Amino acid sequence: DQQVKQNSPSLSVQEGRISILNCDYTNSMFDYFLWYKKYPAEGPTFLISISSIKDKNEDGRFTVFLNKSAKHLSLHIVPSQPGDSAVYFCAASIIPTSGTYKYIFGTGTRLKVLA
Amino acid sequence: SQTIHQWPATLVQPVGSPLSLECTVEGTSNPNLYWYRQAAGRGLQLLFYSVGIGQISSEVPQNLSASRPQDRQFILSSKKLLLSDSGFYLCAWTLGFRGYTFGSGTRLTVV
Repeated sequence: DQQVKQNSPSLSVQEGRISILNCDYTNSMFDYFLWYKKYPAEGPTFLISISSIKDKNEDGRFTVFLNKSAKHLSLHIVPSQPGDSAVYFCAASIIPTSGTYKYIFGTGTRLKVLA
Repeated sequence: SQTIHQWPATLVQPVGSPLSLECTVEGTSNPNLYWYRQAAGRGLQLLFYSVGIGQISSEVPQNLSASRPQDRQFILSSKKLLLSDSGFYLCAWTLGFRGYTFGSGTRLTVV
């Protein structure tokens, strides 16, 4: 059972335009969400996060939106650049009262930004 | 600053052979450590995590095991590899909040 889903395996966007990557989750107990970016043959790198107490978080060209009622989050990249071409993973976790975070990852969306 | 080392970068092993992947973290103490695997066409699947020396939690039953002999060392092992063990293995750490820092990964191909 895939608790975190990225239904678009790939996305192509023209340079300078907006890229929108989507992620859906099924567990309403998730309360912390992350986006990671991954280049081939490298480990994923942290991009941006959002807590369930917020519905938006911005960091430069990257904005994450959270719609808790729809159990949906999205990552917006504006403007898109060729260097943004990578695989993007969303991940979700329940903030632990003890123990450690255990993130559930989606299957990833491959973004290609065309020059 | 904290860094995470993972090796080897690529590995080709025959079916039935043993496996040992090592991950070490520098610049921090008592990190939470994780092993993830990305199989072809799949997301990142959590295999094991550890909150301290000798403490291992397994998330999925499988042909693999993990050990944490030292505070900043995490090892993924198998006695006999299966074809289905092929994938991209990632080690990660966190100090218990927010997201992980991942290593560069090991591409394992079982032939």
